[in-house]
Parts: sequence; structure tokens; C-alpha cells
Amino acid sequence: GNSVTQMEGPVTLSEEAFLTINCTYTATGYPSLFWYVQYPGEGLQLLLKATKADDKGSNKGFEATYRKETTSFHLEKGSVQVSDSAVYFCALSPHPNSHTGANSKLTFGKGITLSVRP
Amino acid sequence: NAGVMQNPRHLVRRRGQEARLRCSPMKGHSHVYWYRQLPEEGLKFMVYLQKENIIDESGMPKERFSAEFPKEGPSILRIQQVVRGDSAAYFCASSPPVGGGSTDTQYFGPGTRLTVL
Repeated sequence: GNSVTQMEGPVTLSEEAFLTINCTYTATGYPSLFWYVQYPGEGLQLLLKATKADDKGSNKGFEATYRKETTSFHLEKGSVQVSDSAVYFCALSPHPNSHTGANSKLTFGKGITLSVRP
Repeated sequence: NAGVMQNPRHLVRRRGQEARLRCSPMKGHSHVYWYRQLPEEGLKFMVYLQKENIIDESGMPKERFSAEFPKEGPSILRIQQVVRGDSAAYFCASSPPVGGGSTDTQYFGPGTRLTVL
């Protein structure tokens, strides 16, 4: 079945440091890949996504590239801010269903907590 | 355009009671998904519904849990005879119908945090 593996956390960085959060996946076919962010006490927000190999998703200074050869989707940011402190989840969704055109369930990694110090 | 709405945000139940969690998808969305987040863990898929149909319930416990998405009104996740192990955050997500946008993207509600005493 499908699975997503994220690096162990938590991660603590100083403001303006470089961030990398590793994510690798196992899936059949060509899934779509996502990063979601969860701020304390809130639901998940879509941060970025990529739907095919070599696509780069980007948003709010975060980037991730869909690497099929290494089955990875690592999240990076060049200079983190205190406001980036949150839990980050990597997820995948299988190729759209040929009948409904919609994807089915998202498979999530365990999430990693990022804390950024001023 | 209002996002996915869930209520209540917090729900406290005693063991043996019933819990009803509601989810109103984004306007124009016809696909609803329920996920459970246990403490210190990621989200686990429970069920995927379209209007009046359950498409995939492979993540639902076989007993005490049920879900519906009627033609009118919100989607409901019902947990009967709750136990302490049901304490978790339950998130609902929605996505648009075919031809209505990015069907591979799910938009999440704020969640319902269920505490079973």
C-alpha cells in the first residue's frame, strides 16, 4: 500500500536559518504529493503541492520538488521565521480515479514539529 | 467563499454516550473525507463520501462508527458508545467535483476535538 515517511522530529532552528524537512514515499503509479501545515489549535492548511515528476511546488518561501527517481518530496525554506513554527505533514494522494475523476484518501506522514527561536 | 466548517469545535462525552460530529464542505464541493488524528500522530483516513454515497470506508472501525452525507445538510460522523480511546481530533476535508477544480486537493476544516471522560 501507499506510505509516507518523514524525518524524526522535533526540529528547533534559529530565525533566518535554512530549513530542510525530508519526506519519502511509497506508492504505485503516479501520486500527487502535498505539504500541509498545522498551526497550534488549528486544522491543516495546504502549503504546496506537486502533481507530476520534476514539478516544484512553492508557497510563502517554501519549496519542494517531486523527485520520482528518489521517491522524495523534501520541504525547504531558505530563511525561517518565528511565525513558521508549526507541525508540517507530508502527504500523497493516488492518481485520480478513472470513473469519478477524484482522488481518494490522503496518506499522511507522522508530521514534524518545527520551532523557530527569535 | 466560506471554508470547510465543522462543529462543535470541542466535544466532551462520558463513556457510553454518543458523539455526533458535523461537517459542511466548501461551497460547490461534493466530496467529503473524514480523518482522525490521535495525539502525537499524523492523520489517518477514515471514510470518503459523496452525496448520499459512501465511496471508501476502509479506515472506519467496524463497530460503533458510522458516517453519512445526505442530499441536504452536512456530513455527520457518528460514534456510538464512546470509549476513552476515541479521544482524538477529527478532521473533515472536502474537494470539488470532477470539472470543478483541483480534485486532487483536499481542503480541511478546523477539526472537532473529542474528549471522552
